[in-house]
This record gives sequence, structure tokens and C-alpha cells, in this order.
Amino acid sequence: DAKTTQPPSMDCAEGRAANLPCNHSTISGNEYVYWYRQIHSQGPQYIIHGLKNNETNEMASLIITEDRKSSTLILPHATLRDTAVYYCIVRVRAAGNKLTFGGGTRVLVKP
Amino acid sequence: DTAVSQTPKYLVTQMGNDKSIKCEQNLGHDTMYWYKQDSKKFLKIMFSYNNKELIINETVPNRFSPKSPDKAHLNLHINSLELGDSAVYFCASSHVPLGISEQYFGPGTRLTVT
Repeated sequence: DAKTTQPPSMDCAEGRAANLPCNHSTISGNEYVYWYRQIHSQGPQYIIHGLKNNETNEMASLIITEDRKSSTLILPHATLRDTAVYYCIVRVRAAGNKLTFGGGTRVLVKP
Repeated sequence: DTAVSQTPKYLVTQMGNDKSIKCEQNLGHDTMYWYKQDSKKFLKIMFSYNNKELIINETVPNRFSPKSPDKAHLNLHINSLELGDSAVYFCASSHVPLGISEQYFGPGTRLTVT
């Protein structure tokens, strides 16, 4: 699975958009980009995933660059409950569906 | 209703003991997993089962033995517990073993070996 690089931490103001970057310059054509988050003392929670096109759901938007070497997770209106560690994961379908977690980005939403 | 549940939530035991952690999912998924999160917060896959058959075993010591009585349950039995086994263990499930569907995680079991 391709390696991802994320900033270790970032702060965000409550009510503002949070833009979380992820670099995956060695991503292969059949690898998907997944985002999960882990709120303190809880299990990881799926947020969104995509292959080439931008994706949006009720939680977030995922913007993938045209060359697919990086992506950005956007939380449109961050709340205090969005404080968590956010993980960007790229994964091949043939990898047995395991998720390989890196260090993630620790996001602190401040009032 | 809880989608993926684990018992117990906390487990404190002494070195050398044998213990089990139970996991159940009511999502109708056919694939279940065990992940370990160590003190540095890194999450790593341990095992994956699809329809009661082992499909991933990530070089986990033989002291760890997963057991899947049916596709809704995946239990983790640990023999001869060691201090280094202290961690949070997460169970997860998904629908398609080689697909791209998201994984749903349980609340975790915090194991402390003294």
C-alpha cells in the first residue's frame, strides 16, 4: 500500500472549514484514498473515500488532485466534536481489505 | 443498537494468564478484523476473517488465536499474556473482503497486563 504523509497536528476555529491535506505521491492507479478519524478513546470511524473524482457526503468532502498524488479532506463547518485524529489511507483492492494506519493528523477544534 | 460490540471494555490481568476478548457485529457483514493500538497510538491489523475463514494473519505471535464461531462473531484468545500485550484492541467488520467498503469499528478493549 502507498505511504501517506500528513501534518502531525493542526488547529481549527469552531464553525470554520477545516482543510486536512494528505500526500500520497506513490499512489497506484487502482488504489483508493480513504479517510478515517478516531475521537479520543473511541474506535476509528469511516469518513469518506474516493478514487479519482471529488466526493461529498454528510460528514465531509474529499478533493483529489488530478494527478492523484495528494488529497484534501474538508470538514465544512468544524464543531468541537470534530476534535480527533484524522487518518488518510490509500489501499489496493487486492490487499485483503486491511487498513494500514499512519500517524494521522491531530485536529483540535477551538471555540 | 450497537453495530460492533466488544466485551469486556477493560481487562486487567497478570502476566502468564490466558484471556479472551469477544466481538459481535449485527450488520450482516461477512468480514471481521482485529486491530491492535499500542501506547504510541499506532493502529495495526492483526487478523481478518471472511465467513469464518482466516484471510489475513499479520505475523502475530502464536499466543494470539482468533476464533470465529459464525460470521457475526470473532473472538480473540490470548495465551500466556506478556507485558507487551498491553494495548487497546479493536474489532471491526466490513461487507466485502476484497472490496472497498468501509470498515466499522467497535469501541475497543483496553488490556492491561501487570
